[in-house]
Amino acid sequence: QKEVEQNSGPLSVPEGAIASLNCTYSDRGSQSFFWYRQYSGKSPELIMFIYSNGDKEDGRFTAQLNKASQYVSLLIRDSQPSDSATYLCAVRIGGSYIPTFGRGTSLIVHP
Amino acid sequence: DAGVIQSPRHEVTEMGQEVTLRCKPISGHDYLFWYRQTMMRGLELLIYFNNNVPIDDSGMPEDRFSAKMPNASFSTLKIQPSEPRDSAVYFCASSTNTEGLQPQHFGDGTRLSIL
Repeated sequence: QKEVEQNSGPLSVPEGAIASLNCTYSDRGSQSFFWYRQYSGKSPELIMFIYSNGDKEDGRFTAQLNKASQYVSLLIRDSQPSDSATYLCAVRIGGSYIPTFGRGTSLIVHP
Repeated sequence: DAGVIQSPRHEVTEMGQEVTLRCKPISGHDYLFWYRQTMMRGLELLIYFNNNVPIDDSGMPEDRFSAKMPNASFSTLKIQPSEPRDSAVYFCASSTNTEGLQPQHFGDGTRLSIL
């Protein structure tokens, strides 16, 4: 079982809709969770991090963490074509300082 | 503030040649990471340094790969001899450990093609 799993997609949503991206992880002891956005040909850039159960909102982005079910989600409200990118989930597995990255989910927002 | 700076941005070379990738971390960051990204395997951690000391190189694929960090502002990743399967995008990232290890900041990457 992979430590951090994401559906590779692509996830296609219309402009203005809510995009929901999901990530599951294998280790219940994981503490820190990150979402990175990576445009084609570019480097990953951090968009959100979450440490506690529940929701964390930042503008159009909401991260949701459920440690009991071992998943973390990223919601993008009012999706725009400029949100089209690959979204990488990263998790600090167990007691490790170093995050493990998922393979990423490709998001396409069409006009 | 300047971000993580990598060079070269693109490298095309023939199999068997030595390749050296360079990285300058963000000033004040004491952690430096080298990653490799491919379509097949995603983003893989190769090695990371703390205060210029290699901490974990278990991700380095084989002895052909080596990494050094002679000082706080410079690191190299060397492949010798290079092989076509080494073709990938190589990212350098840095972070700091203020109130816990902070999220990583990535450089623009080096796109490496081995012919």
